[in-house]
Amino acid sequence: EPEVTQTPSHQVTQMGQEVILRCVPISNHLYFYWYRQILGQKVEFLVSFYNNEISEKSEIFDDQFSVERPDGSNFTLKIRSTKLEDSAMYFCASMRLVNSPLHFGNGTRLTVT
Amino acid sequence: GIQVEQSPPDLILQEGANSTLRCNFSDSVNNLQWFHQNPWGQLINLFYIPSGTKQNGRLSATTVATERYSLLYISSSQTTDSGVYFCAVEDNDMRFGAGTRLTVKP
Repeated sequence: EPEVTQTPSHQVTQMGQEVILRCVPISNHLYFYWYRQILGQKVEFLVSFYNNEISEKSEIFDDQFSVERPDGSNFTLKIRSTKLEDSAMYFCASMRLVNSPLHFGNGTRLTVT
Repeated sequence: GIQVEQSPPDLILQEGANSTLRCNFSDSVNNLQWFHQNPWGQLINLFYIPSGTKQNGRLSATTVATERYSLLYISSSQTTDSGVYFCAVEDNDMRFGAGTRLTVKP
């Protein structure tokens, strides 16, 4: 069964550095998402992406964050100048159609030291 | 935005017991999904269920959209059912509830 893949599974970075989290959504899906989960807390929406542009973004998704779909398969989340509080699990998800099941990748655990 | 409330926040069961998890939401929705986050952190889609009832093995879900709630039933629970169960509803984007943490003891 096709799945969403994320790399790396774990990334450690120093405060102030830039990180890029990578995702390959399911190939025939049209809607893409990034979510964040701080350890032990709820899953928080960051941004949705459709037709090569951002559809919605949350208050968390400020100028520090950006997303890109550089080619037909990858979907990336860039975090500039990371802060300690950016430490979390970041999940990519994709959806075939607007009202259809949402499929998650296994996440990237980001640790900012 | 839409509010999503899940209950109970924590649930401890003995293996073989049945349970019902509840999700209340504050406005009408076209998209409601249940997810299981296993102890390894993976988020698994259980049901896409904006209305009606669905069953998948020992799990079933019912959404009563007019009354703004959904229920997830787990029958004959197993230790592998442990984890956190999230309800998510669409409000321009998929918003998650705080989850129900289920622990099934052998």
